[in-house]
Amino acid sequence: SQQGEEDPQALSIQEGENATMNCSYKTSINNLQWYRQNSGRGLVHLILIRSNEREKHSGRLRVTLDTSKKSSSLLITASRAADTASYFCATDGRNTDKLIFGTGTRLQVFP
Amino acid sequence: DGGITQSPKYLFRKEGQNVTLSCEQNLNHDAMYWYRQDPGQGLRLIYYSQIVNDFQKGDIAEGYSVSREKKESFPLTVTSAQKNPTAFYLCASSIAPEGYEQYFGPGTRLTVT
Repeated sequence: SQQGEEDPQALSIQEGENATMNCSYKTSINNLQWYRQNSGRGLVHLILIRSNEREKHSGRLRVTLDTSKKSSSLLITASRAADTASYFCATDGRNTDKLIFGTGTRLQVFP
Repeated sequence: DGGITQSPKYLFRKEGQNVTLSCEQNLNHDAMYWYRQDPGQGLRLIYYSQIVNDFQKGDIAEGYSVSREKKESFPLTVTSAQKNPTAFYLCASSIAPEGYEQYFGPGTRLTVT
């Protein structure tokens, strides 16, 4: 079962622009995480935000969490060609010890 | 150099054969996971283990088996009962089962013909 749904499914931008990806989920969560996957590779953890947090920053990444709307957004500022990858949200539910991954957003950054 | 390794990177098998995918970690993590990823899709959990000698089924365990005899190792066997085994398989580990980031291996692409 996939709890998270990312939006948009695909996003194309120019280098230097900002990229925003959204994630919606269905049930109450403890934490929400964002991961990046380069084509044909494993996933890399980007950031974890807990259910009692509303915003978190890491370098050029900014994550927000709105538990009332059951949604999160990932903002990548001043994008680079190297940011080209798929981005997944994953939720850690209150009644489960598993991470449930969304379907991902494919980001293409053109130089 | 700590990390999680999977081997081989590419694996080809004939239909009807069992195949075992390797996953090893030297991060001293208690929890380990196996996921399956199909083209353009997210990850689906096959099996996970929170501690040595214990494991639980994930969402799509049918046709797969695992063992966790050592903390460092969590091999996945794709059996002939798995109807559509061709996929990208990812192994991951975390310090503890809940509330922590997962570290992923590079993946094994299995093709069954």
